Amino acid sequence: QVQLVESGGGVVQPGRSLTLSCAASGFTFSSYGINWVRQAPGKGLEWVAHISYDGRNKYYADSVKGRFTISRDNSQNTVYLQMNSLRPEDTAAYYCAKDVEQYSGYPMATDYWGQGTLVTVSS
Amino acid sequence: DIVMTQSPDSLAVSLGERATINCKSSQSVLYSSNSKDYLAWYQQKPGQPPKVLIYWASTRASGVPDRFSASGSGTNFTLTISSLQAEDVAVYYCQQYYSSLITFGQGTRLEIK
Repeated sequence: QVQLVESGGGVVQPGRSLTLSCAASGFTFSSYGINWVRQAPGKGLEWVAHISYDGRNKYYADSVKGRFTISRDNSQNTVYLQMNSLRPEDTAAYYCAKDVEQYSGYPMATDYWGQGTLVTVSS
Repeated sequence: DIVMTQSPDSLAVSLGERATINCKSSQSVLYSSNSKDYLAWYQQKPGQPPKVLIYWASTRASGVPDRFSASGSGTNFTLTISSLQAEDVAVYYCQQYYSSLITFGQGTRLEIK
């Protein structure tokens, strides 16, 4: 069965860095784009970033562009989110989610989500 | 950015009754070259990640009960639950993926009356 497992969250001071991982299994990982979506405590969903199935295309929300970097290792079935210059407003649960359809070069609807990893940015 | 606005913000419906949630986009999400609306609906229960219900505006995701349906095109969309069940209590979000900058609606909280 399809599984996405996020890791790497924790408490970090403002201005510091953190890298999240999303380990995937149960599907042909190299055929699907992956998204990161975050949710601040008690708030709605905010899309963060998308990487295409082959890693060639990457897209970012304006709120994280220039600070966050998405990457993937298809040999390890893993997607990463490198987060630099963290701010208190980046505090959220971060979910990775798989595209509904294969071989999309662009962000699209997502069908499977991980359980999320919590990032808290606080001094 | 495309702004997605849902209405109402919260909704209370009796068990077995119909629930309707609306979503309006600030610009059309209909891609003319393939006649597809780049619109999805998600359900999020407390303490759980979101679950996709509908994509391409009206395509029900695998395993989603047929009491969930969706309609609309262009800028106006509707999610309908034909006969509300207790397990449908959740927050519902619409999402556009027409733009490479994906945006979600603010969410609609659905409760039992």
